[in-house]
Amino acid sequence: DQQVKQNSPSLSVQEGRISILNCDYTNSMFDYFLWYKKYPAEGPTFLISISSIKDKNEDGRFTVFLNKSAKHLSLHIVPSQPGDSAVYFCAAISGTYKYIFGTGTRLKVLA
Amino acid sequence: NAGVTQTPKFRVLKTGQSMTLLCAQDMNHEYMYWYRQDPGMGLRLIHYSVGEGTTAKGEVPDGYNVSRLKKQNFLLGLESAAPSQTSVYFCASSPGLVAYNEQFFGPGTRLTVL
Repeated sequence: DQQVKQNSPSLSVQEGRISILNCDYTNSMFDYFLWYKKYPAEGPTFLISISSIKDKNEDGRFTVFLNKSAKHLSLHIVPSQPGDSAVYFCAAISGTYKYIFGTGTRLKVLA
Repeated sequence: NAGVTQTPKFRVLKTGQSMTLLCAQDMNHEYMYWYRQDPGMGLRLIHYSVGEGTTAKGEVPDGYNVSRLKKQNFLLGLESAAPSQTSVYFCASSPGLVAYNEQFFGPGTRLTVL
């Protein structure tokens, strides 16, 4: 039972345009969400997070939106750059220290 | 600061062999984790530790054992490797004590079991 789903395995976007990565979850007890970025042959690195009491968090070119009623969050990257090409994982936690990760979306930004 | 380091980076085992993966962190973090990453499966938690001398099972613990004898080290053992344990293994750590800390990941160990 996949509690955190990333239904798009891959996404291609032109440089300078917006990238939108989506994540759906099923457990309404999740109260904190994170996005990680992973380059090949490296470990994931933290990108941005959002608490369930908010519906938006912004950090430079990266914005995460949370829609609790739809159990959906999204990561917007504007403008997209070739260096953003990586695999992006969303993760959720529910008051413990255990994260549930999605399956990842591979983003390719075309120059 | 080296952050989180993992040893070895690559390993090939034969079915039935044993091995230990070492994770070390120099950030004085309380919590440490072992994950495996498989194609189409994301990151799945194997075992975790909330402090020196403690361990707990994660989502997929079968076939693995762990030990946290020192705060900075978290060892993952495979007693009798199976082809199903072919995967990329990531160690992570977090400060703990306060919820919702980000986790810091090591570079991974690619394990192949023949």
